[in-house]
Amino acid sequence: DSGVTQTPKHLITATGQRVTLRCSPRSGDLSVYWYQQSLDQGLQFLIQYYNGEERAKGNILERFSAQQFPDLHSELNLSSLELGDSALYFCASSVALGKEQFFGPGTRLTVL
Amino acid sequence: GQNIDQPTEMTATEGAIVQINCTYQTSGFNGLFWYQQHAGEAPTFLSYNVLDGLEEKGRFSSFLSRSKGYSYLLLKELQMKDSASYLCAVRDPGGGNTGKLIFGQGTTLQVKP
Repeated sequence: DSGVTQTPKHLITATGQRVTLRCSPRSGDLSVYWYQQSLDQGLQFLIQYYNGEERAKGNILERFSAQQFPDLHSELNLSSLELGDSALYFCASSVALGKEQFFGPGTRLTVL
Repeated sequence: GQNIDQPTEMTATEGAIVQINCTYQTSGFNGLFWYQQHAGEAPTFLSYNVLDGLEEKGRFSSFLSRSKGYSYLLLKELQMKDSASYLCAVRDPGGGNTGKLIFGQGTTLQVKP
C-alpha cells in the first residue's frame, strides 16, 4: 500500500459523458501527478500540481482538466468521453519535486 | 524530443540473474527511475540514479552511465514473483523544476521455474 488513494476503482460509462476521478496523496506529499496508461501507449504523463498550483502539463487533451484543492487532494475531470479514453488512470504523489513518486491503485475507465 | 528504449520482453529462470537495459535520448538529464509493475496494478518504485555508477538495494541494483545515455536494472536470485513489467523513466529535463516523468514502454519479464 503506497498511501495514495484513488476512487473509484472502476468506472464504466458511455461516450459523450463526463466523469471525475479523485486522488488523495500520501500524508505530507505536496505534489500530485496524473498519468494515463493504455495498452498501446504505456504510461503517459498528463498533469502535475504542486501545493495547489499547476506545475507541468503533458499531452493532456483539452477535454481533460484537473485541480488540486487546499487539502491537497486532486480531481481529474474527463468530459465528452470517447472510446479511446478507456484506460487506467493513475495518480501519484511525491514529497518534493524530483523525489520518487508513489502511485495509487488506479482507476480503470471503460467507455462504451 | 525525448526517447526511451527498453526491450519489450525477456525470459529468465528462477534463481538466475537478469539484466534489463534502458537507453535514453533526452535534451539534458535530471535523474532516472526504475519501477516495477505487476499486471493491472500500480507501479512501485525500485531505484533512482542521478550520478554515474551502481546503486544496490537488496536483490535489485541499478546502473547509470550519463555519457552513454544508458542504464540497466539487475535482478539477482530471481523469484517467480519477479514476473512483472519493469519501467524505465527519466525525469523531464525540460525547463522548469518539475517532477514530470517520461516512461519507456516497459520490459515484461517472465520468470520460469
